[in-house]
Amino acid sequence: DTEVTQTPKHLVMGMTNKKSLKCEQHMGHRAMYWYKQKAKKPPELMFVYSYEKLSINESVPSRFSPECPNSSLLNLHLHALQPEDSALYLCASSQVVGRISPDTEAFFGQGTRLTVV
Amino acid sequence: AQSVTQPDIHITVSEGASLELRCNYSYGATPYLFWYVQSPGQGLQLLLKYFSGDTLVQGIKGFEAEFKRSQSSFNLRKPSVHWSDAAEYFCAVGAGQAGTALIFGKGTTLSVSS
Repeated sequence: DTEVTQTPKHLVMGMTNKKSLKCEQHMGHRAMYWYKQKAKKPPELMFVYSYEKLSINESVPSRFSPECPNSSLLNLHLHALQPEDSALYLCASSQVVGRISPDTEAFFGQGTRLTVV
Repeated sequence: AQSVTQPDIHITVSEGASLELRCNYSYGATPYLFWYVQSPGQGLQLLLKYFSGDTLVQGIKGFEAEFKRSQSSFNLRKPSVHWSDAAEYFCAVGAGQAGTALIFGKGTTLSVSS
């Protein structure tokens, strides 16, 4: 199983809502990532978790709150978002943490298309 | 800081013709380089990666890429393009300890004409 599963596929939320995005993988990967991709733009790294601990936060606003409750699951909690936060949110996972190896590869989910109204 | 440049925003190729997509990187040490493809509204699929060793890397779907340190380039090639290859192509450099915190280029949109 080389799948990274993201739910929901689509989400529409108001600016006062609280919602969560979910990402799951069963490949035994110990690094998980959130990326944000605006239309016609490349993905931009938001957060990196390694061994369930936050290791990189790319200066993301606090209205985005990541959580990694176990090694298979990664959540992104959303609160008080703005319309400019509308984007495709991609989750990824990788096997190796802490060193480069020939097996280094990030597997991506299909993304959650978020629209903030 | 690491960065990736894809000079071509949009390329149109005739079906059956050869393809080369350009990628230039900026990185202080040995780079870990990747090419991903993305169909509209979809996630990213890895085509190939360069870690070390052979500078010509073979990937999936008939793609290959050549790492040239002297030119700081990692260009993607395919000898004969199929209509299904139309998509967005991203070159990326691996950052962070494990090299999988990816920094992407702006992408090249490939259109295939019949």
